[in-house]
Amino acid sequence: GQNIDQPTEMTATEGAIVQINCTYQTSGFNGLFWYQQHAGEAPTFLSYNVLDGLEEKGRFSSFLSRSKGYSYLLLKELQMKDSASYLCAVMDSNYQLIWGAGTKLIIKP
Amino acid sequence: IAGITQAPTSQILAAGRRMTLRCTQDMRHNAMYWYRQDLGLGLRLIHYSNTAGTTGKGEVPDGYSVSRANTDDFPLTLASAVPSQTSVYFCATRGSGGAVDEQFFGPGTRLTVL
Repeated sequence: GQNIDQPTEMTATEGAIVQINCTYQTSGFNGLFWYQQHAGEAPTFLSYNVLDGLEEKGRFSSFLSRSKGYSYLLLKELQMKDSASYLCAVMDSNYQLIWGAGTKLIIKP
Repeated sequence: IAGITQAPTSQILAAGRRMTLRCTQDMRHNAMYWYRQDLGLGLRLIHYSNTAGTTGKGEVPDGYSVSRANTDDFPLTLASAVPSQTSVYFCATRGSGGAVDEQFFGPGTRLTVL
């Protein structure tokens, strides 16, 4: 079957760095997406990886290893507004997104 | 309209009643999706439409139906609501031809079935 695994919850300190991991097993692979979702709001797109390696976008970076079925989202210089859930999703062979349950990130001052 | 709108924002519904959740986009995206989001679970696809006039079943289609008469609108109907359909429902769209083709989400509808 298809499966996306990510930690349920993580805690980090303002100003620090945090890495959120995601492992996947899917039928086909057409890219991996990271979304941010604040409580009570809709998910918003953060990053996309389709080739192995690191994609950097400001304070956020995302890494992909297709051979390992593994990705991570790296958040630097954490701010209180980064407190949110981070959703990992893989686009399968039918171009549908398979979603992980999300990682709730709690930022402490 | 800017982007994707959903209506209603929230609704409390008696079990057995019929309910239509509305979704309208002005982005001219071909693909549209309906998801439900429940605590502790990932977003689960209910139905999708790759283009106007076509629809398909997702992971959890039972008890739901959709139609796609035009590009902009993609309503989701619960024929006879049950308490297990209590959830937050998100409509999403996806363009094509871009470098990423990410999905864009509407603000969601919070539905409670009693």
